[in-house]
Amino acid sequence: SAVISQKPSRDICQRGTSLTIQCQVDSQVTMMFWYRQQPGQSLTLIATANQGSEATYESGFVIDKFPISRPNLTFSTLTVSNMSPEDSSIYLCSVEDTGIAEAFFGQGTRLTVV
Amino acid sequence: GEDVEQSLFLSVREGDSSVINCTYTDSSSTYLYWYKQEPGAGLQLLTYIFSNMDMKQDQRLTVLLNKKDKHLSLRIADTQTGDSAIYFCAERNAGNMLTFGGGTRLMVKP
Repeated sequence: SAVISQKPSRDICQRGTSLTIQCQVDSQVTMMFWYRQQPGQSLTLIATANQGSEATYESGFVIDKFPISRPNLTFSTLTVSNMSPEDSSIYLCSVEDTGIAEAFFGQGTRLTVV
Repeated sequence: GEDVEQSLFLSVREGDSSVINCTYTDSSSTYLYWYKQEPGAGLQLLTYIFSNMDMKQDQRLTVLLNKKDKHLSLRIADTQTGDSAIYFCAERNAGNMLTFGGGTRLMVKP
């Protein structure tokens, strides 16, 4: 299974600021995803991070609010922009590979916006 | 759209078996998964089952799938206090995307 490292593991941020979350995988993977888990809730897919092109966003999520980069097959970043308290959530990176059924997750970034 | 439902809470005594249930609506599901989330941690993949199978066993874990009723269950034998966590079921649809249930919080009492 892939080993996924997310940084930071947690942060407390002021409203109106931005935070960039990093996801590093120990091997090349085909697909990388970003999920949000609001307090006490399940996971919601934000976007698919595409290598070398713009991310594919799910309904309700836009690039201006959640810009994503994926410069190579082992690394991606998610930025939460112009934060408000409603953005307080756990953000999780997930990876999958072509032809493999498993989806693996990082340990998550717990974000609190004050 | 797809919907995945789980009961919110389950409490068992240490040493008993736990059964966590999940229902889903998407008849085109290809794989179904069980994940474990401990406090402050990410999701740990426990096991998964191909939609053409009806059972999978892995040590203390048994997954049962009733495709006709769209019902998935996870049985944990000899439940331990370390099994206390939130368990999420998820289904992969024909579009290859995952949909997660709301999670079941398992509490194991000593």
